[in-house]
Amino acid sequence: EVQLVESGGGLVKPGESLRLSCVASGFTFSNVWMNWVRQAPGKGLEWVGRIKTKSDGATTAYAAPVNGRFTISRDDSKNMVYLQMNSLKSEDTAMYYCATDFFKTCFGSWGQGALVTVSS
Amino acid sequence: IVLTQSPGTLSLSPGERATLSCRASQSVTSNYLAWYQQKPGQAPRLLIHDASSRVTGIPDRFSGSGSGTDFTLTISRLEPDDFAVYYCQQAGTSPPSFAFGPGTRVDIK
Repeated sequence: EVQLVESGGGLVKPGESLRLSCVASGFTFSNVWMNWVRQAPGKGLEWVGRIKTKSDGATTAYAAPVNGRFTISRDDSKNMVYLQMNSLKSEDTAMYYCATDFFKTCFGSWGQGALVTVSS
Repeated sequence: IVLTQSPGTLSLSPGERATLSCRASQSVTSNYLAWYQQKPGQAPRLLIHDASSRVTGIPDRFSGSGSGTDFTLTISRLEPDDFAVYYCQQAGTSPPSFAFGPGTRVDIK
């Protein structure tokens, strides 16, 4: 059974940094592209970014609102994907989900989410 | 690409048919259009990919159709477990981008 578990969420002040982690199990992690998707309280879903597999160059791509501030990385030895968030803004307040890629066009399995609150 | 979903809320009774619409501001690349179900306090669940392909394990009362800019998710006979918010999502490939619609809430009438 595919399982994704996020951690690292919390309350931070504007301008601060935070790193989210997501540990995966139940599938061959090194073969799967991984994504982060967020959802502001009471709002819809927003793709944050993606990292390909190491064999595909571990290339990353980001949504415009986070490009240059957020960085996705992976450690296949630990079945982990990370989201480093810098220069956080109040509009980054959201539940952050890690999700597996599904045929490169959508998101197949999701974690339960990690809540990030940016407030002074 | 901007996705618009209608209606915003659909109030129906168990056993009724639900028809949810998703319209794109321009043609969706290769019909890369997916549908998700989200219940309160839970992560989204993928139902349909590539506009009409049902994910393994999803009941056959869920079906997707459409192409180009107009897509539909149909739930043939609503069951109590189906009352939730449904999102459509499109994928662009170069550069990679993924956009979600604002969602349709299916409520019990």
